[in-house]
Amino acid sequence: EAGVAQSPRYKIIEKRQSVAFWCNPISGHATLYWYQQILGQGPKLLIQFQNNGVVDDSQLPKDRFSAERLKGVDSTLKIQPAKLEDSAVYLCASSLEDLAFFGQGTRLTVV
Amino acid sequence: GENVEQHPSTLSVQEGDSAVIKCTYSDSASNYFPWYKQELGKRPQLIIDIRSNVGEKKDQRIAVTLNKTAKHFSLHITETQPEDSAVYFCAANNAGNMLTFGGGTRLMVKP
Repeated sequence: EAGVAQSPRYKIIEKRQSVAFWCNPISGHATLYWYQQILGQGPKLLIQFQNNGVVDDSQLPKDRFSAERLKGVDSTLKIQPAKLEDSAVYLCASSLEDLAFFGQGTRLTVV
Repeated sequence: GENVEQHPSTLSVQEGDSAVIKCTYSDSASNYFPWYKQELGKRPQLIIDIRSNVGEKKDQRIAVTLNKTAKHFSLHITETQPEDSAVYFCAANNAGNMLTFGGGTRLMVKP
């Protein structure tokens, strides 16, 4: 079974630039999550989708972060403009019920 | 919302000894508690999980216990091996199946 695919694996940008991450969940998984993992910390949920609808985005900094899952499959997470404190690994996960599987993540460095 | 506390933050054991990691959660409605292992630079991998209708679950050298009354759950690794060295995260779900993660435990198994 193919896992959760994410791209790119690494990204370095300057502050105030914009960046986008892409996630392709496991086939058939209705729920998709975006997590932010700052070095040395546990993953923090940014947004949860059920099919193409948002279930929870209460921890998403909406002034600069946006996410969409237009067709209920792939998802993109965007940051515009980026700040230094956005440097982290952005993990996408998908689940059928409660069992969540993670992608490899995108390591973002903002300089 | 859910709050998950994890202890200890670092744990060093001798190869062959047991390791125990403990987590507490705040939302009494939580009913699913997974444990993830994350090696350096890699994605979190689910290693074991437990649901609220059982008190203990074992899988070879790994076991998880759950005390719903006290709202805490623990990961037990017996006969530790150097390849068990990693960061371990506990998590608890909420009604929307959002996972809240603990802060992580860095386990070091010394040969």
